[in-house]
Amino acid sequence: QSALTQPPSASGSPGQSVTISCTGTSSDVGGYNYVSWYQQHPGKAPKLMIYEVSKRPSGVPDRFSASKSGNTASLTVSGLRAEDEADYYCSSYAGSNKVFGGGTKLTVL
Amino acid sequence: QVQLVQSGSELKKPGASVKVSCKASGYTFTNYAMDWVRQAPGQGLEWMGWINTNTGNPTYAQGFTGGFVFSLDTSVNTAYLQISSLKAEDTAVYYCARDGAIGYAFDIWGQGTMVTVSS
Repeated sequence: QSALTQPPSASGSPGQSVTISCTGTSSDVGGYNYVSWYQQHPGKAPKLMIYEVSKRPSGVPDRFSASKSGNTASLTVSGLRAEDEADYYCSSYAGSNKVFGGGTKLTVL
Repeated sequence: QVQLVQSGSELKKPGASVKVSCKASGYTFTNYAMDWVRQAPGQGLEWMGWINTNTGNPTYAQGFTGGFVFSLDTSVNTAYLQISSLKAEDTAVYYCARDGAIGYAFDIWGQGTMVTVSS
């Protein structure tokens, strides 16, 4: 199972919006509505931000939104804040397996 | 509160074994699967596999089918990851993560256990 493809980096200024893509195949992202997104600050454990493509767990700000089209999922962070600077990982169910993306480092300029 | 607490950092020599523990609290342990995720220094997350906490049946991802063993002790709500014949490239942070509560997502994570393999 190959890793999902994410851009290595993304950036935006405070208040702006940024979108991170996550490309897989019909065997993972495109085949199931089980894409999730995680935020990881340096030295910390990952935190679930989005599950089932576009649902937010309780406590996650609505500045975080996500969607999927075909084999590509996307995470959008609106109204960027300094604390959003972190690594972001997508993950997908792949039929008895799971797979992560390579991660995207989001920089808030 | 719902949490996973992992054992502390380990320093091992090549060829040795290590056993990492992950103790669950705040929920019914056997109602949710437990997954293991590896993160090598400066690298991304890598899914290692999962264990069915009802049956104890493990599933290993490609690349983790030899030398890696998932196990349970349901009497103390704890999952274990054992790695044998350690190599330098096994140096990483290992996370346990709860699975199955919401759509194959990992909603609760342990704090991570750093395993360093060095002579």
